[in-house]
Amino acid sequence: EPEVTQTPSHQVTQMGQEVILRCVPISNHLYFYWYRQILGQKVEFLVSFYNNEISEKSEIFDDQFSVERPDGSNFTLKIRSTKLEDSAMYFCASSVGVGQGYGYTFGSGTRLTVV
Amino acid sequence: SQKIEQNSEALNIQEGKTATLTCNYTNYSPAYLQWYRQDPGRGPVFLLLIRENEKEKRKERLKVTFDTTLKQSLFHITASQPADSATYLCALMDTGRRALTFGSGTRLQVQP
Repeated sequence: EPEVTQTPSHQVTQMGQEVILRCVPISNHLYFYWYRQILGQKVEFLVSFYNNEISEKSEIFDDQFSVERPDGSNFTLKIRSTKLEDSAMYFCASSVGVGQGYGYTFGSGTRLTVV
Repeated sequence: SQKIEQNSEALNIQEGKTATLTCNYTNYSPAYLQWYRQDPGRGPVFLLLIRENEKEKRKERLKVTFDTTLKQSLFHITASQPADSATYLCALMDTGRRALTFGSGTRLQVQP
């Protein structure tokens, strides 16, 4: 069964450093998402991406965050200057469509720890 | 304000019984609602989707109902097994939005 692949599985970074989280969505999916989950809290939407541009973003997704699909297969989330409160599990997801009721396929996540 | 509410208390049931989980929402007009399973340290896994014009949907031992008048969905697992122990998340997409919003989930523990 096709999978969404995320790397690395765990990243530790110093506060103020830049991090890039990587994802390879399912090949025939058209919509891509980043979510995060702070330990013990709910899965929160960050950003959705379609046709090489952001289609929607949440209040969490401020100027410190950016997304890119550099080569047609990878989908990356960059946090420019990490803060302690960015520590969370970051999930990438993809779907065939949106609005027609397609389920999302999530990756296994990247656990980001900011120290 | 918009809310998706799931019972935050864990649900403990005996193997073989039916588990029923509740999702209530306010100030949403979703065209459909989805249920996911999440195991500790893992990403959510899609289980079922139900559209606003559907009252009930089944898949193997799973059943979902959707009452847009009550603004509620019920998720049932029949003949539950210890392997069903996980957190179950309700998710919906509001009209005009482009992404799912998740509830906080209900943890199910099935005792052998």
